Amino acid sequence: QVQLVQSGPEVKKPGASVKVSCKASGYTFTSRGISWVRQAPGQGLEWMGWINPYNGNTLYAQKLQGRVTMTTDTSTRTAYMELRSLRSDDTAVYFCARDDFYTYWGQGTLVTVSS
Amino acid sequence: DIQMTQSPSSLSASVGDRVTITCRASQSISSYLNWYQQKPGKAPKLLIYTASSLQSGVPSRFSGGGSGTDFTLTISSLQPEDFATYSCLQTYSTPQTFGQGTKLEIK
Repeated sequence: QVQLVQSGPEVKKPGASVKVSCKASGYTFTSRGISWVRQAPGQGLEWMGWINPYNGNTLYAQKLQGRVTMTTDTSTRTAYMELRSLRSDDTAVYFCARDDFYTYWGQGTLVTVSS
Repeated sequence: DIQMTQSPSSLSASVGDRVTITCRASQSISSYLNWYQQKPGKAPKLLIYTASSLQSGVPSRFSGGGSGTDFTLTISSLQPEDFATYSCLQTYSTPQTFGQGTKLEIK
């Protein structure tokens, strides 16, 4: 069965970087894109961007351009989302999801940014 | 960017009620609209894709409709497990955008 398993919670200071992983199993990793979505506490869902594991092509939300990088490692079937220059309003749960209608989601990774 | 306006933002209803949630897009998105259910501390769950297609395993009391700019999610007879937050997502263009969510609570 398809599974996306994300890395554990992170606590970071303002200005630091965080890298969240999303390990895929149960399907051909390069056949579907991976999107990243975040949800601040008590807030709605926000699309962050997308990566095609087959060729590495990416699309990012304009508000995150310059701070976010999405990558994949096809040898380990893992997608990564790195966010730099963290601010307090980056505190959120970060999800990865397979891009076929977002049928499959990771369990979420809480990133807390606090001094 | 396409704005998705979801209404209502919250809704109180009883078991057995019929409820409808709407999403309006700021421009036409054809049928590129999905609906998700989310419970606290969990990832969203796909209910409806391409506006009206029921995801496998989702009960038939859930239905979706609309095209262009106006979309609906209807639950025909609320069950206790349906009390959750519902969100729409447009995948017509990048950036993909979600509605702000509708919290469905027990009356």
